[in-house]
Formats: sequence, structure tokens, C-alpha cells
Amino acid sequence: QVQLVESGGGVVQPGTSLRLSCAASGITFSAYAMHWVRQPPGKGPEWVAVISYDGRSKFYADSVKGRFTISRDNSKNTLYLQMNSLRDDDTAVFYCVTSSAPDFWGQGTLVTVSS
Amino acid sequence: QSALTQPPSASGSPGQSVTISCTGTSSDVGGYNYVSWYQQHPGKAPKLMIYEVTKRPSGVPDRFSGSKSGNTASLTVSGLQAEDEADYYCSSYAGGNNVFGTGTKVTVL
Repeated sequence: QVQLVESGGGVVQPGTSLRLSCAASGITFSAYAMHWVRQPPGKGPEWVAVISYDGRSKFYADSVKGRFTISRDNSKNTLYLQMNSLRDDDTAVFYCVTSSAPDFWGQGTLVTVSS
Repeated sequence: QSALTQPPSASGSPGQSVTISCTGTSSDVGGYNYVSWYQQHPGKAPKLMIYEVTKRPSGVPDRFSGSKSGNTASLTVSGLQAEDEADYYCSSYAGGNNVFGTGTKVTVL
């Protein structure tokens, strides 16, 4: 049974940083590319970033490019999202998602950016 | 990276069918057979209902079906049930990134 557990969310002030983690189990983590997807309160999901299975290729949404960094540690079956220069409009539930067919989602972690 | 266009709302009575459209471009929906549909109930994570345009994950009722024509994908829910009332989002691969739809609220009358 695939399980993805996000952590690291919380309330932070604008301009600060936060690192999210996603621990995977029940899958061969190192075989799959992984995504981060976020969903602002009351709005639809927004794709954030993707990383290849080996970590060599990364792509970002324009809205986070230069501020967010996706990474992974296959030895720990863990995906990361380093978020810097956080803004009010980064407030959202962040989900990690497998790039598989079918895909699997975690339950999400809430990031609130507010002064 | 513009969002895919969905109608804001759709509705039907129990037992009826409802179809939701998802319109993109040749760079996303029209260019790849990687369209997915998600169902989301309030306070819950999105649940995958359709992937690769027409495929259903294990456990998803066959009342849910997907199709695509050109730059527009569609989700049809047949034999509507009360528990189908939810928000529905499409998503498409767009060459290096993914894009989601604007979302459709389905109401069971």
C-alpha cells in the first residue's frame, strides 16, 4: 500500500524560508519522478515542481522559479521542497504526488504565510 | 502555464449523467494522452478518478469515464449518486510540467 506523508508545514512570516518533506513507503521510490502540487484555500490545485527519478532533472512553475528547490534522497525514500522568500500567495496545502500511472497523493501539509 | 478551462458548475439528478469538459491547447491536452481527472470532497485530498484519458484506477466505479477530442477532454459521470457531489479537476502533462483545470463543482439535485 502506497503511503506518502508530508511534513514541515506551519505558519511563517513573509520573506522567510521553510522546508517540506515527503516520506514515501509501499513503492520503489527511486523508480519514480515526483511532483509537488499545492492548493491555496478555496482554490484549485496548482502544479509546483517535478524531479526525475534520479534527481538530475527538475522543472518548476513560473510562480516559484528561483525561490523553491525540489530535491530527493532516494536512500531515505524522501522528497523535499525548500521554499525561500515566501510570500502571502504561497499559502496553500502542499501535496507530494508520484509521477506514476496511476498516481498517488499524500494528505498534504498546510503552509500559511502571514505577518 | 495557463490553467485548463472547465465550466464552474454542473448538475444532475440521481441516476442521470453529467459531462464535464476540460479545454486546453495543443501544448497540453491536445498534445499528449496524459489527461487525469480528480474528485475532491471538502477538506480531503484530491482523489484520482481517471488517468491517461480513459483509464480508471482500481476501485473507481465504471460510472466514471473519460475521453478526449482535439484540445478538449471530458469526464462523464453516469448514474449520478449523492456521493458524486464534489469538485472535479482535470490535469494534463504539458511537456516538462503539468497543468490543472479551473475546477467544476458537481451538484446532485
